[in-house]
Amino acid sequence: GAVVSQHPSWVICKSGTSVKIECRSLDFQATTMFWYRQFPKQSLMLMATSNEGSKATYEQGVEKDKFLINHASLTLSTLTVTSAHPEDSSFYICSARTGTGLSPLHFGNGTRLTVT
Amino acid sequence: TQLLEQSPQFLSIQEGENLTVYCNSSSVFSSLQWYRQEPGEGPVLLVTVVTGGEVKKLKRLTFQFGDARKDSSLHITAAQPGDTGLYLCAPHTGNQFYFGTGTSLTVIP
Repeated sequence: GAVVSQHPSWVICKSGTSVKIECRSLDFQATTMFWYRQFPKQSLMLMATSNEGSKATYEQGVEKDKFLINHASLTLSTLTVTSAHPEDSSFYICSARTGTGLSPLHFGNGTRLTVT
Repeated sequence: TQLLEQSPQFLSIQEGENLTVYCNSSSVFSSLQWYRQEPGEGPVLLVTVVTGGEVKKLKRLTFQFGDARKDSSLHITAAQPGDTGLYLCAPHTGNQFYFGTGTSLTVIP
């Protein structure tokens, strides 16, 4: 149980275009979803926390107008990278949890974004 | 924000050797989790430690939460190539979920 599906697994786009990444909890309702960015051999950097039906909470230094997050239902959150540039190339990972406290995070398998 | 420093950052060892990974902070946490991530995948939860001084064992992996709940360690006995991956600690800090700086482990056959 507790499967999180992330799509697409990889995407190549041209500079200036926008890319949408979907994160779905397949067999549970996710009250909270998290979006992370990861560079090779480095840890995960939290970008934003989103709760269903409310605006996402962005971490300091993350541009909310560039990384649009929508959490419209308890099973779906989307991250849209707007006007992508080569420096946005990275591995983006979503995660979801069913509750609070000690409930663990369940991760998607990530999206490798390459902006040319 | 990364509240936890992990050391070493990179570690390459021979199969059969033992190793310890450390996770340190100046802050006190109510609990802490350890995850392992393999290339191209999302992290997977290994363990949650809650009580200061707590020790948990998962086969060849031993996790310890510091008495003051500011630090934690992961000890692997007789490492195997399948242990290769990025090890991440994550403290419980309310609704946000931050990770430590990570330790990239390579076990050479």
